[in-house]
Amino acid sequence: KAGVTQTPRYLIKTRGQQVTLSCSPISGHRSVSWYQQTPGQGLQFLFEYFSETQRNKGNFPGRFSGRQFSNSRSEMNVSTLELGDSALYLCASSFNSNNEQFFGPGTRLTVL
Amino acid sequence: EDQVTQSPEALRLQEGESSSLNCSYTVSGLRGLFWYRQDPGKGPEFLFTLYSAGEEKEKERLKATLTKKESFLHITAPKPEDSATYLCAVQATGAGSYQLTFGKGTKLSVIP
Repeated sequence: KAGVTQTPRYLIKTRGQQVTLSCSPISGHRSVSWYQQTPGQGLQFLFEYFSETQRNKGNFPGRFSGRQFSNSRSEMNVSTLELGDSALYLCASSFNSNNEQFFGPGTRLTVL
Repeated sequence: EDQVTQSPEALRLQEGESSSLNCSYTVSGLRGLFWYRQDPGKGPEFLFTLYSAGEEKEKERLKATLTKKESFLHITAPKPEDSATYLCAVQATGAGSYQLTFGKGTKLSVIP
């Protein structure tokens, strides 16, 4: 069974640009969550989607947004990039929100 | 607000030297406590889910236990390949509680 996949794996952007990251969950999983991981803050929750609906959002500014498609694939977008947005962005999927979450390899975003 | 504190931040063990990692948590109601392992440059790998005080789970050299305030990850006779960062996370009960709240992790190094 294929795991969670994320594309691209690495990304370099400059301040002010925007970026879109993609996540394909494990087949059959309908819940997709996004997390930001930095050395200082650790893993922090961004948002969670289930059946194309955002059900939960973490404490991040409105520049961070996401969506989920009918096939459960998800994208997250960060607009007007700041230096502090440099991080590993992780996507996790689960069958439903009460089950364990399985993580993808992450997208390493560097903002210059 | 849900909080997770892991200790120690880093741990160096000789191969075969058993030890325990601690995860203290504060949550209004616990739906589940999760342990993950993360290798450098990779996404977290799921290890265990614990749901209620007194529950224990084992996998190879790892054993996770849960009380009402903390969880322990016991590592018996560790090998160098057990070197990784171990993350603890909680999921709370209640409407809208779909995210995991993570601790900062314990970086384990096992020396041959």
